[in-house]
Amino acid sequence: AQSVSQHNHHVILSEAASLELGCNYSYGGTVNLFWYVQYPGQHLQLLLKYFSGDPLVKGIKGFEAEFIKSKFSFNLRKPSVQWSDTAEYFCAVIGGYQKVTFGTGTKLQVIP
Amino acid sequence: EAGVTQFPSHSVIEKGQTVTLRCDPISGHDNLYWYRRVMGKEIKFLLHFVKESKQDESGMPNNRFLAERTGGTYSTLKVQPAELEDSGVYFCASSQLTTDTQYFGPGTRLTVL
Repeated sequence: AQSVSQHNHHVILSEAASLELGCNYSYGGTVNLFWYVQYPGQHLQLLLKYFSGDPLVKGIKGFEAEFIKSKFSFNLRKPSVQWSDTAEYFCAVIGGYQKVTFGTGTKLQVIP
Repeated sequence: EAGVTQFPSHSVIEKGQTVTLRCDPISGHDNLYWYRRVMGKEIKFLLHFVKESKQDESGMPNNRFLAERTGGTYSTLKVQPAELEDSGVYFCASSQLTTDTQYFGPGTRLTVL
């Protein structure tokens, strides 16, 4: 069975601080990896995804994530956060059968 | 292009009552998924349709939950009778057959009193 672990449940940062959200997954085969974001009052949106190729993927709004196969990790990063990045972030993996397994989510609060 | 839509956005019912949630996927998306998030927990898979057929319903909690997708377009998820532990946000997502990228609807917040 596949599983996803997000290490931080609640992160508080000041504007312009750098962000790194941890994500580790467990699955024995090939995986597709995603980060989704849910802004307050809005629905889940795809931030970025990794299927194959360059392990450093860039997404919308300046976010990027690095797939490290040996560590089963897919951490999300942003060099300088803005107040508008306040949201809940979900790491997700698809292993077999197209079923998405989500992490528990990380709430990010950015203080102006 | 219209996104995934869900109806209603909120539903408050009493224990023992029946509720039906609806999901309209993006036009042309043959894959349709239902997920649920109970307060404070992770988003969990419920089931997956390919067109009108149930591909995987391993996440359905019990036989009080019935999902249908007649004609391969919109889907309904019925809870009958509802229990307190069914409260949560029910998400629907859809995708094309050839991709793993799923697009999510806004969710339906179900509260069972």
